[in-house]
Amino acid sequence: KQEVTQIPAALSVPEGENLVLNCSFTDSAIYNLQWFRQDPGKGLTSLLLIQSSQREQTSGRLNASLDKSSGRSTLYIAASQPGDSATYLCAVSSNDYKLSFGAGTTVTVRA
Amino acid sequence: ETGVTQTPRHLVMGMTNKKSLKCEQHLGHNAMYWYKQSAKKPLELMFVYSLEERVENNSVPSRFSPECPNSSHLFLHLHTLQPEDSALYLCASSQELLIEAFFGQGTRLTVV
Repeated sequence: KQEVTQIPAALSVPEGENLVLNCSFTDSAIYNLQWFRQDPGKGLTSLLLIQSSQREQTSGRLNASLDKSSGRSTLYIAASQPGDSATYLCAVSSNDYKLSFGAGTTVTVRA
Repeated sequence: ETGVTQTPRHLVMGMTNKKSLKCEQHLGHNAMYWYKQSAKKPLELMFVYSLEERVENNSVPSRFSPECPNSSHLFLHLHTLQPEDSALYLCASSQELLIEAFFGQGTRLTVV
C-alpha cells in the first residue's frame, strides 16, 4: 500500500522568503506525481504534474522535483506572497488507478 | 474554475434522510472519481469510474451508492448516514485513468 508523507505539517514564513515543501512516498512504482493547492473549505487546484520519467516541472514561481528512486518530491515556491497561503497536497498515482494523498503542508505567508 | 462542478456546495442531512450529490464535467474526460476528505486526514478515494464502468470500490459502506449515467455526470447517493460521515466530498475527473486529475469545489456534508 502506497504511503505518502508530507513534512512539515505547517510552515509560516515572512513575505518574500522561498518555500520548500517535502513529499515522500514508500512505493517507487508510480505513474506520476501531482502537487495541488487547497484553500480552506475549497476544492483542489492542480499546480504541477510530474510524469515518472521526468525529474522536474516548472510553472512561474513554482518548481517541483522528483527523485523516484528515493521516493521524494520537493515543491519550491520562490519569493512567497501572502496569496500563497494555503494547504499544499502531494499525490502519487500508482498503477492501481489510485491517487494516494499526503496529509498536506499548511503554509502561512506573513505580510 | 477547473471545469468540474459539484452541487450542492453545502448539505445538512439527518441520519434517516436520503440525498444525492452531483458532479458534472464538460472537459471530455473519460474517468471520474469520488473522494472523501475528513478533518486532519488525507483524502480517501471512494469510487472510480472509467467510461461509465466502475473500476474501483475502495471498501466503502453501502450507505454510499455511486451512479455514473454518462461520461459527464457522476452522482453519490446517500442514505442512513452516520455523523462520522460528515466531511468534504470531492469529485474529480481525468482524461484517462492515471492522467492528471481536476477537482471540483466539493460538497461540505454535515450529518446531524
